[in-house]
Amino acid sequence: AQTVTQSQPEMSVQEAETVTLSCTYDTSESNYYLFWYKQPPSRQMILVIRQEAYKQQNATENRFSVNFQKAAKSFSLKISDSQLGDTAMYFCAFMHYGGSQGNLIFGKGTKLSVKP
Amino acid sequence: GAGVSQTPSNKVTEKGKYVELRCDPISGHTALYWYRQSLGQGPEFLIYFQGTGAADDSGLPNDRFFAVRPEGSVSTLKIQRTERGDSAVYLCASSLYMGPVRANYGYTFGSGTRLTVV
Repeated sequence: AQTVTQSQPEMSVQEAETVTLSCTYDTSESNYYLFWYKQPPSRQMILVIRQEAYKQQNATENRFSVNFQKAAKSFSLKISDSQLGDTAMYFCAFMHYGGSQGNLIFGKGTKLSVKP
Repeated sequence: GAGVSQTPSNKVTEKGKYVELRCDPISGHTALYWYRQSLGQGPEFLIYFQGTGAADDSGLPNDRFFAVRPEGSVSTLKIQRTERGDSAVYLCASSLYMGPVRANYGYTFGSGTRLTVV
């Protein structure tokens, strides 16, 4: 069974600084996707960034980038130039593809606070 | 609709009662998922619909939980004989079905229903 581990329950960062959130996962699958989701107090899960496991190049989306280390099964999120609106819960998630389901497996989350 | 709509936003019920939680997905999205998010945890998969049929209900915790999607759009999650341990946020997500060899990663989540069993 696949598992996702986020070892940092809470993190804080000063506005405009850079912060890195950690995620490790365990799987015997070779074909999968990895995701970071943001969950503000509104509760809606918002996709931040995704990475296909077969791609060696790390995904980037504006201020958000990942460090994907497939052999180490590590998938960290770097947020540059942190903004107050980045304050939220962040969840790392895994999805095996090749089947017909597409359900996500989530970690427990990291609460990020951006301080002015 | 423009997004995934879940109603009610909050629901308080007494232990032992029956509840229904509704999810209205994005128009045209054939895949629909239910997740449960307990306090301090990440969401956990409950059930997946492809069209009208439950393609995978392996995440339902027991037979008190049931979900339907009779016309392939709106889905209802039903919980019988509610227990305090059922208290959680229930999230719904929908996506266009990409086929068995490609991940349905185009998820859109709703804002969830917070269920409190007292």
